[in-house]
Amino acid sequence: KNQVEQSPQSLIILEGKNCTLQCNYTVSPFSNLRWYKQDTGRGPVSLTIMTFSENTKSNGRYTATLDADTKQSSLHITASQLSDSASYICVVSPSEDSWGKLQFGAGTQVVVTP
Amino acid sequence: AAGVIQSPRHLIKEKRETATLKCYPIPRHDTVYWYQQGPGQDPQFLISFYEKMQSDKGSIPDRFSAQQFSDYHSELNMSSLELGDSALYFCASSTHGSSYNSPLHFGNGTRLTVT
Repeated sequence: KNQVEQSPQSLIILEGKNCTLQCNYTVSPFSNLRWYKQDTGRGPVSLTIMTFSENTKSNGRYTATLDADTKQSSLHITASQLSDSASYICVVSPSEDSWGKLQFGAGTQVVVTP
Repeated sequence: AAGVIQSPRHLIKEKRETATLKCYPIPRHDTVYWYQQGPGQDPQFLISFYEKMQSDKGSIPDRFSAQQFSDYHSELNMSSLELGDSALYFCASSTHGSSYNSPLHFGNGTRLTVT
């Protein structure tokens, strides 16, 4: 069973609107949680990274939140743009020094329409 | 800023052939990771190297081997290719140490198609 669950699976939004993506994880121990943006056929690009002690982290129009108690994270996209169309992947790291053991979510496919 | 460079971008091979994928990490990054991402699937960790030594191993088939060279670039060698090996192969690099302070940077991947 995947230890990182993302919802919704896909999302269509109008340009200029806001949206929120969800990530629930059961990975334990937990070191940090990252959100990546992956354009089709390209490598994931890091958006935010948070440790268990951080509740929120922003990167431009992207704002991530983390509740380490409930093991939930969200990624909020403000004033969406056409270039935001991509897959957004939640990635959880179980420990600081074990990059190979990253747990990837299946991603949420976001489509921004004019 | 320089990013992780992978070559080739696309590769088409026949069954039972061999393939070599190359990865050039970001300058001063000493750690390289290889991931395999099948169609519609999560990236699966294959293997990693730190200072030219294998540092971690994931679900890499015995038909695959990899190494990191003195200039920190890495090569993934794949033999006896199977149809199921068709995937996007990502290389990522970082500096050794705390994952929080050394973000993982991904290349754009090599798309391997086995026919």
